[in-house]
Amino acid sequence: DIVMTQSPLSLSVTPGEPASISCTSSQSLLHSNGHNYLDWYLQKPGQSPQVLIYLGSKRASGVPDRFSGSGSGTDFTLKISRVEAEDVGVYYCMQALQGPRTFGGGTKVDIK
Amino acid sequence: QVQLQESDPGLVKPSETLSLTCSVSGASIRGHYWSWIRQFPGRGLEWVAYFYNSVTTNYNPSLKSRATMSVDTSKQQFSLRLSSVTAADTAVYYCARLGKADYISFDYYYFDFWGRGTLVTVSS
Repeated sequence: DIVMTQSPLSLSVTPGEPASISCTSSQSLLHSNGHNYLDWYLQKPGQSPQVLIYLGSKRASGVPDRFSGSGSGTDFTLKISRVEAEDVGVYYCMQALQGPRTFGGGTKVDIK
Repeated sequence: QVQLQESDPGLVKPSETLSLTCSVSGASIRGHYWSWIRQFPGRGLEWVAYFYNSVTTNYNPSLKSRATMSVDTSKQQFSLRLSSVTAADTAVYYCARLGKADYISFDYYYFDFWGRGTLVTVSS
């Protein structure tokens, strides 16, 4: 199985400041079609996960444009340009390229 | 709006079979991929299985053939049975839809709608 590793484990951010989360995969997630098969999900406290980004960089419907995904191959980043209070929760990356879909261990984001 | 609701089996004894049902509203079960995902107490997420149109099913090999998905299209429900459970199967179980991404020239699916999840505890 492809192993997904996230860092940092947790992040405390001042509202209005940027935040960045890294995700590394044990194998390249670059498909022959030129797209990276990598999604980002946010699990807000007490809720189910919700999709933010798919195919590495495409924002899902309704996701604010302060969220952006980048990277290719084995290294990916989720950036929040200006963190808001509603962005607290645990962020997960997930690969969809090969074998069973596997998730990173999560990065907990809270507000200072 | 697509809504999913898991049943609540609660406590299951070790070695017994866990049975879960997901009720779907707001979308037909036909023509979509439906999935089970679980979240362990330490917050790790694991994809369990998915099916499509009652024909295609795919299971996480880590479950070692203990999992079986089925569907009742007349009731708009799909189910998961997990046999020979142990404490390691204690988790919150989510049902979710794998929705097709729009505006791209190839098929790509991501988990676009989730149920609220149900906690299953395996204990004697």
